[in-house]
Amino acid sequence: SAVISQKPSRDICQRGTSLTIQCQVDSQVTMMFWYRQQPGQSLTLIATANQGSEATYESGFVIDKFPISRPNLTFSTLTVSNMSPEDSSIYLCSVEENMNTEAFFGQGTRLTVV
Amino acid sequence: GESVGLHLPTLSVQEGDNSIINCAYSNSASDYFIWYKQESGKGPQFIIDIRSNMDKRQGQRVTVLLNKTVKHLSLQIAATQPGDSAVYFCAERGWNFNKFYFGSGTKLNVKP
Repeated sequence: SAVISQKPSRDICQRGTSLTIQCQVDSQVTMMFWYRQQPGQSLTLIATANQGSEATYESGFVIDKFPISRPNLTFSTLTVSNMSPEDSSIYLCSVEENMNTEAFFGQGTRLTVV
Repeated sequence: GESVGLHLPTLSVQEGDNSIINCAYSNSASDYFIWYKQESGKGPQFIIDIRSNMDKRQGQRVTVLLNKTVKHLSLQIAATQPGDSAVYFCAERGWNFNKFYFGSGTKLNVKP
């Protein structure tokens, strides 16, 4: 299975600032996704990161708040913009090596906004 | 997103007993299902998957059962161990949507 590295693993940020989270995979993968997991809750899909084009966002998530890049088949970034305490959450990168196969996850980025 | 829910938010079992975690899904078009285990401070870890052309699949100490008639999925863990303590999520995906939707999760507590 693909090895997924997320950076940073955790951060404490001031409200109004932005944080960019990186996801690096050790092999080329077909699909990359970003999820949010609020404390004590399940995973909610933010968007599908598309290589070389704009990400596909789920209902309730917008590009201005969560800009995503995916310049190649092994790397993606998620930015949490103009943060507020409500953005405090775990952000997870997920990949699928091929279409219609299992999804693997990074260890997550624990974000606290103060 | 699609509705994927669980019957029991918390399950406590004695070490050595069998555990059964249940999940209901709402989209009859879903054809691929995965169970994930998430330990504190870690990302979800793949446990076992099943496709809709099967009703049972076994792994090491784990079995997944799929009942398409009632849209129900279960994870059975045999001889539960303290290391099995975690939150378990089911996830579904359909042939017409290339992403997974997750259930609300069940926390499994294994008592020594």
